[in-house]
Amino acid sequence: SYVLTQPPSVSVAPGQTARITCGGNNIGSKSVHWYQQKPGQAPVLVVYDDSDRPSGIPERFSGSNSGNTATLTVSRVEAGDEADYYCQVWDSSSDHRTVFGTGTKVTVL
Amino acid sequence: QMQLQESGPGLVKPSETLSLTCTVSGGSISSYYWSWIRQPPGKGLEWVGYFYYSGTTNYNPSLKSRVTISEDTSKNQFSLNLSSVTAADTAVYYCARAGYNLKIDYWGQGTLVTVSS
Repeated sequence: SYVLTQPPSVSVAPGQTARITCGGNNIGSKSVHWYQQKPGQAPVLVVYDDSDRPSGIPERFSGSNSGNTATLTVSRVEAGDEADYYCQVWDSSSDHRTVFGTGTKVTVL
Repeated sequence: QMQLQESGPGLVKPSETLSLTCTVSGGSISSYYWSWIRQPPGKGLEWVGYFYYSGTTNYNPSLKSRVTISEDTSKNQFSLNLSSVTAADTAVYYCARAGYNLKIDYWGQGTLVTVSS
């Protein structure tokens, strides 16, 4: 089955930029979605289809996807961005199943 | 505003069947992919499966032999049955709505199910 690998943790100072990677075989050919999850809460969609943002999500959240790596970038990081982040892809070319990445804990220093 | 609410027992005995229902309000379960996702305590998200309004279902291969997802359109609900549970099935279970490309735009609040005797 398809595997998505994320770094377990990323640390960033307030005002700096956090980059969270999601690695998968030829992930650049698939659509990637990103979710933010704070403790005790359900996940929230922050980026979909590689780089689109749902309404209400700040422009500080952006995404890119190429080759074997997708990246979620959080610019001008704030304390409120501290959370777990998960990538997700849907394999529309074969079995129509979906898989989540392993998750990354973002810590704001 | 669409809302999803999980309901069901919070404690299930080993070898028994876990049964949860998701009640959808603020919209119909026609169209879209209606999904179950779970998260063991302190761990990551795991897709369990979905049904598509046309009647298609699709399940995580690792759970496929034990999972059934069904719908009751008259009640605007869909359900999860997971048989022969073990402690490894202890998790917060979320129901969710997914659209094109399986992007999940609405989530329930989640319900913790513990498997223990």
